[in-house]
Amino acid sequence: DSGVTQTPKHLITATGQRVTLRCSPRSGDLSVYWYQQSLDQGLQFLIQYYNGEERAKGNILERFSAQQFPDLHSELNLSSLELGDSALYFCASSVRGGRATGELFFGEGSRLTVL
Amino acid sequence: KNEVEQSPQNLTAQEGEFITINCSYSVGISALHWLQQHPGGGIVSLFMLSSGKKKHGRLIATINIQEKHSSLHITASHPRDSAVYICAVSGVSNFGNEKLTFGTGTRLTIIP
Repeated sequence: DSGVTQTPKHLITATGQRVTLRCSPRSGDLSVYWYQQSLDQGLQFLIQYYNGEERAKGNILERFSAQQFPDLHSELNLSSLELGDSALYFCASSVRGGRATGELFFGEGSRLTVL
Repeated sequence: KNEVEQSPQNLTAQEGEFITINCSYSVGISALHWLQQHPGGGIVSLFMLSSGKKKHGRLIATINIQEKHSSLHITASHPRDSAVYICAVSGVSNFGNEKLTFGTGTRLTIIP
């Protein structure tokens, strides 16, 4: 058990809909990272938050947004869903961000299926 | 050409064999990660390294910065080592965990 909790584990929805994926980092970890793993693109970095602030952005679509709350949990919002958004979405956390980085701890992932 | 290339893509070996998985990258990096993904999908970080060599149990990771190459070795392999092993790098302008670029993974199967 990594200590990182992601919900929901599985989600099935229709094209055009909006979903929210939630991540609770390990206790004390300030950095949260979101990744997408799809069959055709593999693993891709989406976005990173550090202590409530956006720190780095990767290949995140404009239809996707994220935030980190004062209690350090994070949410990834996916809107106007398309079939191609079907993927495993992973959250990871680390105790530090920036110059003093720490080991990454991954959640079990949220499997999104868009029909 | 991907920034991060792994070889082999698939590897099947007998229990007890010494395993080597390779990762080559084309950009300057601040850190390289080795990750393990089991069939259930969960990902575990095995190593984060920026130079030299690290060892944890039967796993050893090495990196050669000049050659832009890293290897993951598994000694005395066991069926429970069967998983996908993924190499990822953080660019030189980033800090070690940031904006990772991933390889496509090496699927390892250890036969009893």
